[in-house]
Amino acid sequence: AQSVTQLGSHVSVSEGALVLLRCNYSSSVPPYLFWYVQYPNQGLQLLLKYTSAATLVKGINGFEAEFKKSETSFHLTKPSAHMSDAAEYFCAVSYSGGSNYKLTFGKGTLLTVNP
Amino acid sequence: SQTIHQWPATLVQPVGSPLSLECTVEGTSNPNLYWYRQAAGRGLQLLFYSVGIGQISSEVPQNLSASRPQDRQFILSSKKLLLSDSGFYLCAWSSGQGGQPQHFGDGTRLSIL
Repeated sequence: AQSVTQLGSHVSVSEGALVLLRCNYSSSVPPYLFWYVQYPNQGLQLLLKYTSAATLVKGINGFEAEFKKSETSFHLTKPSAHMSDAAEYFCAVSYSGGSNYKLTFGKGTLLTVNP
Repeated sequence: SQTIHQWPATLVQPVGSPLSLECTVEGTSNPNLYWYRQAAGRGLQLLFYSVGIGQISSEVPQNLSASRPQDRQFILSSKKLLLSDSGFYLCAWSSGQGGQPQHFGDGTRLSIL
């Protein structure tokens, strides 16, 4: 069975500081990995996805994530935090099997950006 | 381009009343469709998914049901709402192809009084 663990339910950074949100996955087959962002009272917006091409994936809003198979990790980073990055972030995993491609989500990390 | 619409955006209902939330997708055909519930501090819970008209799979036994009367229409229903049905309901679609993400609507905030 696949699972996702997001370390830290709440991360606080200063504006201009590095953002690092951690995600570890468990999957018995090669995974597809995703990061989503959710602003208050809105749906989830796709930030980036890993689908077995380049291990370093660049997404929207200056975010990127690196797939590390040996560490079963897919951490999300941004070099310099902006106030507008304050939101909840979800890591998700799926795999190539079946016709429904369900996503398994982590519990989310709330990012606070301090001025 | 593809778009997904959910309505209403907010809903306040008394306990025991019925529920109908609707979701439609435009710009694609034969999508996979999903209903999630997001309770405060509890992440996303997949409620139902559908791979085609009339094909509904339930993930969690509960007071809710789903239907897909048309290819791009997904409806979440209840005959009698419970207090525990409160939450933020999200509809999503995907192409069903490997590695493709799910795309979410803006959600419905449901409060049960």
